[in-house]
Amino acid sequence: AQSVTQPDIHITVSEGASLELRCNYSYGATPYLFWYVQSPGQGLQLLLKYFSGDTLVQGIKGFEAEFKRSQSSFNLRKPSVHWSDAAEYFCAVGMTNAGKSTFGDGTTLTVKP
Amino acid sequence: DAGVTQSPTHLIKTRGQQVTLRCSPKSGHDTVSWYQQALGQGPQFIFQYYEEEERQRGNFPDRFSGHQFPNYSSELNVNALLLGDSALYLCASSLLQVRMGREAFFGQGTRLTVV
Repeated sequence: AQSVTQPDIHITVSEGASLELRCNYSYGATPYLFWYVQSPGQGLQLLLKYFSGDTLVQGIKGFEAEFKRSQSSFNLRKPSVHWSDAAEYFCAVGMTNAGKSTFGDGTTLTVKP
Repeated sequence: DAGVTQSPTHLIKTRGQQVTLRCSPKSGHDTVSWYQQALGQGPQFIFQYYEEEERQRGNFPDRFSGHQFPNYSSELNVNALLLGDSALYLCASSLLQVRMGREAFFGQGTRLTVV
């Protein structure tokens, strides 16, 4: 069975500081991996996805993520956080990002001025 | 392009009642998936519809049922509502036959409160 663990429930960073959100997955085959962002009361917006190829993936809003098969991880990073990045972030694994994709429980990001 | 639209945005129902939620997929998409997102949790997959049939189903009871229409829009029905059904219900649409980059687009969700 596939599963996703986001170890950090809540992270607080100062504006302008770097950010790393952790994601560990369990999946029986080559995974498709995704990061989404959700603002309060809103739907999910796809930040980036990994299907194959280069393990460092660039996404929207200056985010990137690195797939590390040996560690079963897909951590999200951003070099300089903006106040508008405050939101809930979800990592997901599956064959597609519609269908039986499995989501983690999310990490809430707070940005201090 | 209107993207994925869901209606209604908010809904309050009484325990034991039935509810129908609606979703219109993004233009050109033929597949609709439904997710339930309880407060403080990630979305959980309910089921997926393609060509008016249920293709995949998550671990949800038969009280949850759905339908897809010829225009690809979809409904989610929940019978005999329980307090625990209170959640944000998300619809996602995608194009099934695209091999790579099967990106799904999510709607804003319907917030269901059962009292």
